[in-house]
Amino acid sequence: RKEVEQDPGPFNVPEGATVAFNCTYSNSASQSFFWYRQDCRKEPKLLMSVYSSGNEDGRFTAQLNRASQYISLLIRDSKLSDSATYLCVVSSGYSTLTFGKGTMLLVSP
Amino acid sequence: GAVVSQHPSWVICKSGTSVKIECRSLDFQATTMFWYRQFPKQSLMLMATSNEGSKATYEQGVEKDKFLINHASLTLSTLTVTSAHPEDSSFYICSARPVAETQYFGPGTRLLVL
Repeated sequence: RKEVEQDPGPFNVPEGATVAFNCTYSNSASQSFFWYRQDCRKEPKLLMSVYSSGNEDGRFTAQLNRASQYISLLIRDSKLSDSATYLCVVSSGYSTLTFGKGTMLLVSP
Repeated sequence: GAVVSQHPSWVICKSGTSVKIECRSLDFQATTMFWYRQFPKQSLMLMATSNEGSKATYEQGVEKDKFLINHASLTLSTLTVTSAHPEDSSFYICSARPVAETQYFGPGTRLLVL
């Protein structure tokens, strides 16, 4: 089983749509969780950290379910500029980040 | 956010040559930097952890004699791909960590070995 699994997509959605990404991780000792965004041929950029209580940043909402080892990202009112690959990232607490393959999102006019 | 630079941004070289990639933290000191590699449509894979003033820690399957890492100062780490071959062609990305758990990534270096 892969350490961090994501649906590769691509997810094709129209502008204004709501889209949800899911991620599962295998290491129950994982302590920190993140969503990164990676544009084509660019480096990953931190989108948001993920907490058990859930957290929201504008149109983006992240949720963590430790019991199910499941992480989600919800994007509301999609914009064209949201088109990118979204990476689920897990850390065991010693700085090492483990990346999922990413889920590609394509937002069309 | 913190700024990390990489140089060069892309390299094309002949098989057998060595390529050096620099990673710099521009506005903070980083005792630890990380080197990743990303093949097309694959996830970022950690290659090694670079520690200032000491030897790098390599991940399983990464040849330390082929991928030489030097972290001579708190703001600079270098990765040298020795005797590069076409299978080494990839996107190499470094990151640095100014605070616990948060890593900032450099813009990456695209290496193409002919």
